[in-house]
Amino acid sequence: ETGVTQTPRHLVMGMTNKKSLKCEQHLGHNAMYWYKQSAKKPLELMFVYNFKEQTENNSVPSRFSPECPNSSHLFLHLHTLQPEDSALYLCASSRGTEGDYGYTFGSGTRLTVV
Amino acid sequence: DAKTTQPPSMDCAEGRAANLPCNHSTISGNEYVYWYRQIHSQGPQYIIHGLKNNETNEMASLIITEDRKSSTLILPHATLRDTAVYYCIVRSWGSSNTGKLIFGQGTTLQVKP
Repeated sequence: ETGVTQTPRHLVMGMTNKKSLKCEQHLGHNAMYWYKQSAKKPLELMFVYNFKEQTENNSVPSRFSPECPNSSHLFLHLHTLQPEDSALYLCASSRGTEGDYGYTFGSGTRLTVV
Repeated sequence: DAKTTQPPSMDCAEGRAANLPCNHSTISGNEYVYWYRQIHSQGPQYIIHGLKNNETNEMASLIITEDRKSSTLILPHATLRDTAVYYCIVRSWGSSNTGKLIFGQGTTLQVKP
């Protein structure tokens, strides 16, 4: 248990489905992040939120839609995904986006698109 | 793009020290060296970070060369549970930078009995 909780741990969805990934932290952190890790590839930063505001979108396709209603919760809404979107999706949080702040990662959601 | 170079894999005998090298020849003055590790299919875990002085905590030691172009992470007594992918990351702070962590391929450390 790291303090960052991701649900569900595993998700199988069809290409026409709509699903959401949830991330929750009660560490008092103000910044939250979504990363994608495909098989045999490094982690790719997708989105950055600081004090609920999106500060970075790394050219992520619109079929991935993030939402940050408050500093403790982060969602990733998924719709019309492709099989190549199957990956481990990791959420992280930090006290801020500037300064000597380490990231705390959740355990991830293993997504399979069929 | 990641600013570091690491060997893709290393082996270490259980109970011995594991020394993981990292090259960061283009590091600039305001950039720190961070180490994370990822045990299979889990989220990355913070290990240690430093600027120019050597650092030690309960998990590991970080040795940074005087010119700061390379560093070594030392796990003093490796155990089987230390088998993981180890990432060396250069990260800058400052008001104009989000301070984001950019991961490379890392080094897969296999600790063997």
